[in-house]
Amino acid sequence: DQQVKQNSPSLSVQEGRISILNCDYTNSMFDYFLWYKKYPAEGPTFLISISSIKDKNEDGRFTVFLNKSAKHLSLHIVPSQPGDSAVYFCAASGDYGGSQGNLIFGKGTKLSVKP
Amino acid sequence: DSGVTQTPKHLITATGQRVTLRCSPRSGDLSVYWYQQSLDQGLQFLIQYYNGEERAKGNILERFSAQQFPDLHSELNLSSLELGDSALYFCASSVDGGISLRGANVLTFGAGSRLTVL
Repeated sequence: DQQVKQNSPSLSVQEGRISILNCDYTNSMFDYFLWYKKYPAEGPTFLISISSIKDKNEDGRFTVFLNKSAKHLSLHIVPSQPGDSAVYFCAASGDYGGSQGNLIFGKGTKLSVKP
Repeated sequence: DSGVTQTPKHLITATGQRVTLRCSPRSGDLSVYWYQQSLDQGLQFLIQYYNGEERAKGNILERFSAQQFPDLHSELNLSSLELGDSALYFCASSVDGGISLRGANVLTFGAGSRLTVL
């Protein structure tokens, strides 16, 4: 049972355009959502997070939008740069079933930004 | 450098063998997490420790065990290895394991240990 889903395995965009990465979740008990970026041969690195009581959080070129009613969140990267090419993981956390603190990850979306 | 150190980086072994993966958390972090990433899979949560005590368990097989030592480093032991255990194993750490509930519990990941079982 996959509680966090990233349905697009890959996404290709042109440099300077907007990248939109999507994520759906099923558990309404999640209270925080996080995005991580992963380059080859490295561990995932934290990018941005959003609380379930917010609908938007912005940090420079990165904005995360949360639609609780649809159980959907998205990461917008504007403008996209070639260095943004990486695998992006959506993750969720919440105090449920004794799993407080640990993150549940999606399978990731590989973003390729073409010069 | 994330501050989370994992050794070894690569490990090749045979079926039926036992291996130990080691993790040193970022300085000041009390909680350690282990995740497994198999081919085409996301990061699967295995187990979490906080200040030496087991805090949460995920999809960890009975053949696998872990512990966190008084100096806060952690070891993941994998025994009776099977071909399907070939994967990237990530260790992550966080300050308080989400106990404080102040903001998102951001995990800092190491670079991973790649295990190949032949």
